[in-house]
Amino acid sequence: GNSVTQMEGPVTLSEEAFLTINCTYTATGYPSLFWYVQYPGEGLQLLLKATKADDKGSNKGFEATYRKETTSFHLEKGSVQVSDSAVYFCALSDRGGGYNKLIFGAGTRLAVHP
Amino acid sequence: GAGVSQSPSNKVTEKGKDVELRCDPISGHTALYWYRQSLGQGLEFLIYFQGNSAPDKSGLPSDRFSAERTGGSVSTLTIQRTQQEDSAVYLCASSVLSLAGDTQYFGPGTRLTVL
Repeated sequence: GNSVTQMEGPVTLSEEAFLTINCTYTATGYPSLFWYVQYPGEGLQLLLKATKADDKGSNKGFEATYRKETTSFHLEKGSVQVSDSAVYFCALSDRGGGYNKLIFGAGTRLAVHP
Repeated sequence: GAGVSQSPSNKVTEKGKDVELRCDPISGHTALYWYRQSLGQGLEFLIYFQGNSAPDKSGLPSDRFSAERTGGSVSTLTIQRTQQEDSAVYLCASSVLSLAGDTQYFGPGTRLTVL
């Protein structure tokens, strides 16, 4: 079945460091891919998405490119801030049946210190 | 309101009791999803509604779990005879379906603790 694997955390970085959180997926067909973020004490928020191969999603300085050849959707940011500390979830939408059931990775906790 | 709302935000119950969790989706969103976030299992899909129908209930963990949606809007997730393993954060999301991949907007969740 469809699945998402993302790197285990926690990831601890200094402010202004470069961030990569790896995400790979297994899917039949052509899923859409998402990154969701959960800030401390808050609900899940969509960070970015890509709906087809080679699409790049971007938001708030974060980017991820849908790579079909490597079945990956790695999240990157050039310079993290303390405010980026959160848990990041990679997800794919299983579009079988015409709707979008999300399948999530386990989540990666990011801690950015000054 | 502007976003998805859920109530209660926190629920503590005793093992064996029934609980009802409520979700108010964004107005006009025809698709509604329930997910569960627990320490051991991560984020799991529970059920999907399109309008008032639930064509996919495959994620409901047992027959103690049921859900309904009325008027194409509010949804209620009911857990009967709660067990300690039901303790989790229950998340609701709503969306407008799109072939390109709908964006699901999540509510803040209901944290359920079963003692």
